[in-house]
Amino acid sequence: DAKTTQPTSMDCAEGRAANLPCNHSTISGNEYVYWYRQIHSQGPQYIIHGLKNNETNEMASLIITEDRKSSTLILPHATLRDTAVYYCIVMKTSYDKVIFGPGTSLSVIP
Amino acid sequence: NAGVTQTPKFQVLKTGQSMTLQCAQDMNHEYMSWYRQDPGMGLRLIHYSVGAGITDQGEVPNGYNVSRSTTEDFPLRLLSAAPSQTSVYFCASSSTGMGNQPQHFGDGTRLSIL
Repeated sequence: DAKTTQPTSMDCAEGRAANLPCNHSTISGNEYVYWYRQIHSQGPQYIIHGLKNNETNEMASLIITEDRKSSTLILPHATLRDTAVYYCIVMKTSYDKVIFGPGTSLSVIP
Repeated sequence: NAGVTQTPKFQVLKTGQSMTLQCAQDMNHEYMSWYRQDPGMGLRLIHYSVGAGITDQGEVPNGYNVSRSTTEDFPLRLLSAAPSQTSVYFCASSSTGMGNQPQHFGDGTRLSIL
């Protein structure tokens, strides 16, 4: 069973920041938060992950609350190519089974 | 920067035929795995390997075989294809070294069994 909950769908205007929330209230101290996305008919694409601190890379930023019970993925300037299903998951190790829930279907609108 | 490469991208088989789905990674990752993704079912783990010569079953291993003779390659064999094996198959790999590293996925093989 997925250990995270996400909104089913979201819209974002092209060029604006997309903020995708995720709740993981039962996360344990040694579990990481990972974000992936899947564009239709393509393989899941890794975006970013973190344990406690906020993280940023060339694709996105990850904000994790101090109690670690929720997080937000931020795509700073959404483009049409960011339209995809976004999955938030928690994992202890690099080789845990990847379990995707329903995810958030993000539509970037021109 | 190839990452995880899966071949073929598409395949149509007849019931009873056998075939091998190829997966190769160029990141020297110890861990490799195979998933299938069906509509409304999410990802289901078929087989995985934590290093050359070591494989183990996931949650849906029946009808599939794997081997890991090299670090780079992890082929998935369908022994006698059945319509229930129509699916999209993804291979993933990750490092098992220090720290927590993401799993990287290939672009998938879309398999139809008639």
